[in-house]
Amino acid sequence: GEQVEQLPSILRVQERSSASINCTYENSASNYFPWYKQEPGENPKLIIDIRSNMERKQIQGLIVLLDKKAKRFSLHITDTQPADSAMYFCAAEDSGTYQRFGTGTKLQVVP
Amino acid sequence: ETAVFQTPNYHVTQVGNEVSFNCKQTLGHDTMYWYKQDSKKLLKIMFSYNNKQLIVNETVPRRFSPQSSDKAHLNLRIKSVEPEDSAVYLCASSPGSQNTLYFGAGTRLSVL
Repeated sequence: GEQVEQLPSILRVQERSSASINCTYENSASNYFPWYKQEPGENPKLIIDIRSNMERKQIQGLIVLLDKKAKRFSLHITDTQPADSAMYFCAAEDSGTYQRFGTGTKLQVVP
Repeated sequence: ETAVFQTPNYHVTQVGNEVSFNCKQTLGHDTMYWYKQDSKKLLKIMFSYNNKQLIVNETVPRRFSPQSSDKAHLNLRIKSVEPEDSAVYLCASSPGSQNTLYFGAGTRLSVL
């Protein structure tokens, strides 16, 4: 199946700095790009999403950018806190199908 | 607030046995999914059901089969488990395409 690549696989940042995660997708028909956060022992939960009619979306300290030409989208967490430490997954969906997930990023925010 | 319920939480079994996992959602969603999350945390789609019709069937082994009695329930049966089936199986639902997935807590399967 078509891949969603996600980098980095592990990201370690200092508290109060920014963290960035990048994803690329193959199918130009993809039109919905959610981001999920999964804490240890928990299920994934949506934190922010963006649709193909937008290039940028911000919810508080979370920013997502979408570059449809490059088939690339990214998550930026500003002012990170230890509570942001978790696995993060990007996903891409073609209309009427299902969400394909990236390979995940383990974010560690250290004091 | 949990609205996608999975049972059991854990299941340990031996190679060749049959297992069934249950999933129920109380959100009134039209679409339900099964994802497999392996030990490396990779999330792979297995099945998608919309109004009792299978709309996507990724190339999973034939020993896996989804079972749905109504749009609120989507169970997963594995006819004869293999060691590589050890994983967490996550059920999810959504209102439709281009929408949030709401995941259950997962069923962790260990095949000895």
